[in-house]
Amino acid sequence: DIQMTQSPSTLSASVGDRVTITCRASQSFDNWLAWYQQKPGKAPKLLIYRASSLANGVPSRFSGSGSGTEFTLTISTLQPDDFATYYCQQYYSHFPWTFGQGTKVEIK
Amino acid sequence: QVTLRESGPALVKPTQTLTLTCTFSGFSLSTTAMCVSWVRQPPGKALEWLGRIDWDGGKYYNTSLKTRLTISKDTSTNQVVLTMTNMDPVDTATYYCARKYGLRGFDYWGLGTLVTVSS
Repeated sequence: DIQMTQSPSTLSASVGDRVTITCRASQSFDNWLAWYQQKPGKAPKLLIYRASSLANGVPSRFSGSGSGTEFTLTISTLQPDDFATYYCQQYYSHFPWTFGQGTKVEIK
Repeated sequence: QVTLRESGPALVKPTQTLTLTCTFSGFSLSTTAMCVSWVRQPPGKALEWLGRIDWDGGKYYNTSLKTRLTISKDTSTNQVVLTMTNMDPVDTATYYCARKYGLRGFDYWGLGTLVTVSS
């Protein structure tokens, strides 16, 4: 199976900061990588798919990049609504799908 | 409008079999490239993908859980059913069903249902 490792596990930041979260895969796959935002007590929300495509209705301050085994989610200017936990997920059809362990973005 | 809703028991005993139903609307699981997955999340922990069923009936499971899992669909009633055998307290989690269509990841999710495993 493809293992996904996110870093950092927790990130302290302030409103207006640029934030970057990294997701590393145990083996390469064809950019079938999604990012989700989850708030307490809520279902995850799709932010990015195919590593860099913005999901419908997601603000443009969110962006995704990367290929091979290393991917990043960037929030260009952190807003109060962005404090949440973020997960990466690979959904390469030839393998069981897996999530990263999550990155909690908290207020500094 | 796409919606998904999980239903099933809130409490199961150890060794029992859990059966959860995902009832959805606004799309058809017969549509090419459509699939429905199950994902769970123990309290305070990360998301864990359990398995999926595809538009063509293909089924795929989490490697470490596949001996305990079965996913089936009823296209006529727009339902996907998850069964998990031999439940244990470590299986206590919120269980979600989610839709994936085409290139996108899980673009629609149910609200989730909390299942507690306890005697």
